[in-house]
Amino acid sequence: DMKVTQMPRYLIKRMGENVLLECGQDMSHETMYWYRQDPGLGLQLIYISYDVDSNSEGDIPKGYRVSRKKREHFSLILDSAKTNQTSVYFCASSRDWGGAEQFFGPGTRLTVL
Amino acid sequence: QQQVRQSSQSLTVWEGETAILNCSYENSAFDYFPWYQQFPGEGPALLIAIRSVSDKKEDGRFTIFFNKREKNLSLHIKDSQPGDSATYFCAASLYGSSGNKLIFGIGTLLSVKP
Repeated sequence: DMKVTQMPRYLIKRMGENVLLECGQDMSHETMYWYRQDPGLGLQLIYISYDVDSNSEGDIPKGYRVSRKKREHFSLILDSAKTNQTSVYFCASSRDWGGAEQFFGPGTRLTVL
Repeated sequence: QQQVRQSSQSLTVWEGETAILNCSYENSAFDYFPWYQQFPGEGPALLIAIRSVSDKKEDGRFTIFFNKREKNLSLHIKDSQPGDSATYFCAASLYGSSGNKLIFGIGTLLSVKP
């Protein structure tokens, strides 16, 4: 069953707290992604990972970091969360070639108070 | 500067009509254009895609028309149904290149009224 999972689905944090968002996939995909989605801005790429410990910044990496220690698992970390990081975060995975379908998880709605 | 532009943030059609969603892009090197469909509370999912060597791609009620010279494309949804109500993202990338970075438009929210 081809699936991308995300935990937690909903999260409320206070400004300054640390946040850990987790993503898993069962398709042995090399490439994984973190996006955020905000009204009027569409999907913005935060980080892309080409394999274990091979991560690259996307378009909006500031304030975020990632960790990929296993091919099937990709984490997004917010050190000292800010209110403007309130958003819906999506993880995705794909094979490692242009044109490969990206499979998205169900998203995590993060609210930073 | 937006590399992939969707001209309408929202579109409303009646059930049975053809919905037309437009998209344009800046980089003439882009050669792969997928459309992703997103329902509320879910992640986007690939709906249909076209490569720049083609000018039309059809899959059931969904058709992409592609104009390489004008750098634009459109998604036509024939006989629209209320279940087609969703946000549609146009995206672009370089087919076959190493890595798989998609550039997304901001999305068009389609509402199909019964």
